[in-house]
Amino acid sequence: GAVVSQHPSRVICKSGTSVKIECRSLDFQATTMFWYRQFPKKSLMLMATSNEGSKATYEQGVEKDKFLINHASLTLSTLTVTSAHPEDSSFYICSARVLREGLSGELFFGEGSRLTVL
Amino acid sequence: RKEVEQDPGPFNVPEGATVAFNCTYSNSASQSFFWYRQDCRKEPKLLMSVYSSGNEDGRFTAQLNRASQYISLLIRDSKLSDSATYLCVVKQAAGNKLTFGGGTRVLVKP
Repeated sequence: GAVVSQHPSRVICKSGTSVKIECRSLDFQATTMFWYRQFPKKSLMLMATSNEGSKATYEQGVEKDKFLINHASLTLSTLTVTSAHPEDSSFYICSARVLREGLSGELFFGEGSRLTVL
Repeated sequence: RKEVEQDPGPFNVPEGATVAFNCTYSNSASQSFFWYRQDCRKEPKLLMSVYSSGNEDGRFTAQLNRASQYISLLIRDSKLSDSATYLCVVKQAAGNKLTFGGGTRVLVKP
């Protein structure tokens, strides 16, 4: 089946630094990927939709200058948390939808990246 | 009112018992519905899609009630491994956006 890989799975950084998270579709091309954030015991909150070759679409309340998204190829999207602060500590998950016969509409998630900002 | 609402639980279920829970959605134009399972500190994984006529996959049965705008998930003969958080996911008619419910936590105990 389709697989989405996310890296790193865990990162600890100092306040003020920037952190990049990669999301790769391993056996399919994804023109669209989604970035979610999840707080403990809460549901996933869509942050932005990453579009290959064009600007990402951000959800209301999500700062685009804070969370930089780049989708330069059909298999890779990156999320960069710039000037991270402790309140940015969270579980970030990417996903992509496979639109082909037999797997139409299914959303595959990366393994998630747990960010801790000290 | 939230777009997608779920009872957070936890539902404490004896092993072998049946448990069922619902998810309500506010947008009547919602098009597609899914149940995802999320284990602690892991990514969500698709459990099953929900079809208009209802569908079953082994011990799991999903139902859609468009008139009352809710979907349900029933788990029969619960196993210890069914312990997880079950996320209701709704897709609107237009666009790719999926909206997640807050999840229902299920704990199956011996």
